[in-house]
Amino acid sequence: VQLVESGGGLVQPGKSLKLSCSASGFTFSSYGMHWIRQAPGKGLDWVAYISSSSGTVYADAVKGRFTISRDNAKNTLYLQLNSLKSEDTAIYYCARWTVATDYWGQGVMVTVSS
Amino acid sequence: DVVMTQTPVSLSVSLGGQVSISCRSSQSLVHNNGNTYLSWYLQKPGQSPQLLIYKVSNRFSGISDRFSGSGSGTDFTLKISRVEPDDLGVYYCGQGTQYPYTFGAGTKLELK
Repeated sequence: VQLVESGGGLVQPGKSLKLSCSASGFTFSSYGMHWIRQAPGKGLDWVAYISSSSGTVYADAVKGRFTISRDNAKNTLYLQLNSLKSEDTAIYYCARWTVATDYWGQGVMVTVSS
Repeated sequence: DVVMTQTPVSLSVSLGGQVSISCRSSQSLVHNNGNTYLSWYLQKPGQSPQLLIYKVSNRFSGISDRFSGSGSGTDFTLKISRVEPDDLGVYYCGQGTQYPYTFGAGTKLELK
C-alpha cells in the first residue's frame, strides 16, 4: 500500500489549492479515504472523509470551503481547498480507512500566508 | 464532538522499561454495530503517523507484541513493554466511532 500526496505550497489567504493523493498497492475503489491535517508542532486534526460510494463528511471548520472527491479510474483522492485561512496552514495527510486509518501518506505542506 | 483526553502529556522511560498511556473519551466509543473504533498511533520525528492498535486491542500487521491495548467504553490504555529506541515519538489515540473523527493531544515518549 502506498499513498503519495502532492499539490501543496504557499498560497495567499482567500485563495484556492487542490491536493491530490495517488494510491497504489490496493483496490482503491473499495476503500473509504480520509484527509487529516497537522498544524506545525500540533496534534492531528481530522478534515474530511469520502466513502467507497463517494458519500462525504466534513469537519465543521472546513465545511463549505473544502471539497473531498475521488477518481477511482485514476486511483486518486482529492481535496479542493477554497477560501483559505491562515489557520489552514498544516501538513495534510491522506489515509485509508478500514476499521482505522491503517495507512497514511507522507503528507504535503500547505502554508497560507500573505 | 467526542473529546479524547490523553495522559500523561510526556513520559520518560529507560530502555527496557514499561510504560502506560491513558486515553479517555467524553462519550462511549461503542458503535451501533457493537464495535469500538479506538485506535493508537505512533508518530516518529519527521514521519507520518503509523497505526499500532485498532479496535481497542488488535495489533496492526507487523506490530510487535510489546504493544498492547485494553479498555472499554470510555477508558482505554496502551502499554509498551521492553521499550526500544525505535519506540520513541508521540503517541496518539483516535476514535472513529462517531464523526467528527477525533484524536487525543498526544503523549511524547522520551528516553530518561
